[in-house]
Amino acid sequence: GAVVSQHPSRVICKSGTSVKIECRSLDFQATTMFWYRQFPKQSLMLMATSNEGSKATYEQGVEKDKFLINHASLTLSTLTVTSAHPEDSSFYICSAHRGWTEAFFGQGTRLTVV
Amino acid sequence: QQPVQSPQAVILREGEDAVINCSSSKALYSVHWYRQKHGEAPVFLMILLKGGEQKGHEKISASFNEKKQQSSLYLTASQLSYSGTYFCGTETPTSGTYKYIFGTGTRLKVLA
Repeated sequence: GAVVSQHPSRVICKSGTSVKIECRSLDFQATTMFWYRQFPKQSLMLMATSNEGSKATYEQGVEKDKFLINHASLTLSTLTVTSAHPEDSSFYICSAHRGWTEAFFGQGTRLTVV
Repeated sequence: QQPVQSPQAVILREGEDAVINCSSSKALYSVHWYRQKHGEAPVFLMILLKGGEQKGHEKISASFNEKKQQSSLYLTASQLSYSGTYFCGTETPTSGTYKYIFGTGTRLKVLA
């Protein structure tokens, strides 16, 4: 089956630093990828829609200058958390869609800002 | 706005059945169902594309009522491996494209 690789799976960083999370579709081209954030025991909240070759579309309340998304190719989207703060600590998950049938998720990234 | 799932949580004994509902305030074009284990990414279960469509996957099936903007997931003869949090995901058209939004989630625990 299709695989989406997300890296890193776990990262601890200091307040004020930036962290980049990569999401790659390994065996299919994904023109659209989605980034979600999940707090403990809560649902996945859509942060932004990443479209290859164009600017990401952010959900209301998500700071685009803080969560930079780049979709440089049909197989790679990156999320950069800039000037991270402890409240940014969360589980971040990307998904890529192959056609209209299935969504494939990355393994998720557990970000802890200390 | 997130689709609302009910119940929020359910505890079953092995072999018992459960129904999880997903209700949206917006028109639905498709509904996806996922199961998430603690600390892991969600795993795709199935997609329903048409109003009134029903699908089955082993002992897990689902229905989609497009007019009512609702979908239900049916778990039959539950197994321990069914434990996890179930999410419905819905496709919502927006500005010439679409986005996927997840429901509020239902925590399911199956006891031996």
